[in-house]
Amino acid sequence: DIQMTQSPSLLSASVGDRVTLSCKASQSIYNSLAWYQQKLGEAPKLLIYDANSLQTGIPSRFSGSGSGTDYTLTISSLQPEDVATYFCQKYYSGWTFGGGTKLELK
Amino acid sequence: QVQLKESGPGLVQPSQTLSLTCTVSGFSLTSYNVHWVRQPTGKGLEWMGVIWTGGSTDYNSALKSRLSISRDTSKSQVFLKMNSLQTEDIATYYCAREAGIVMPTGYFDYWGQGVMVTVSS
Repeated sequence: DIQMTQSPSLLSASVGDRVTLSCKASQSIYNSLAWYQQKLGEAPKLLIYDANSLQTGIPSRFSGSGSGTDYTLTISSLQPEDVATYFCQKYYSGWTFGGGTKLELK
Repeated sequence: QVQLKESGPGLVQPSQTLSLTCTVSGFSLTSYNVHWVRQPTGKGLEWMGVIWTGGSTDYNSALKSRLSISRDTSKSQVFLKMNSLQTEDIATYYCAREAGIVMPTGYFDYWGQGVMVTVSS
């Protein structure tokens, strides 16, 4: 089975910071990767699919990149409403989520 | 608009069977795959299984022996049944729609609000 590892597990940043979250697969997942944002008490929300495609309605400060086994979610300028836990998900050869990165304000 | 809503008992006794319903609106179960995902409080997401547009299913290998997913297309409902519940099954259970009409994409564009399930006598 392909494992998904996210880092860091906890990230503290200031408003306006550029923030980078990492997601690594144990083998290539051929860009079959999505990112979700989950705020406290809410269901996950799709941000990015196919590694770098922005879901409709998501602010352009969110972007995704990567290929093969290594993927990144970038928030270009952190806003207070971005405080959440972020999960990556692979959908190549089945579905698996990463363990999540909790993003908090410094 | 697209909506999914989970329902079912919030409390299940140990060793008993969990039965949940996902009622969808705004789309057809014959056009979109629907998945179940669960999340223990404060922890990560675990994919449980999927019912495909044609009615076939696939399950997480770790849960396969205990899990069953079915549907009633006339009622726009997807059902989850999992037996032999234990405390490690305490979680919020979500149903989610896989994006892509007829042609699946893999990612989930709409989620239900989730239903919290506790296992206790």
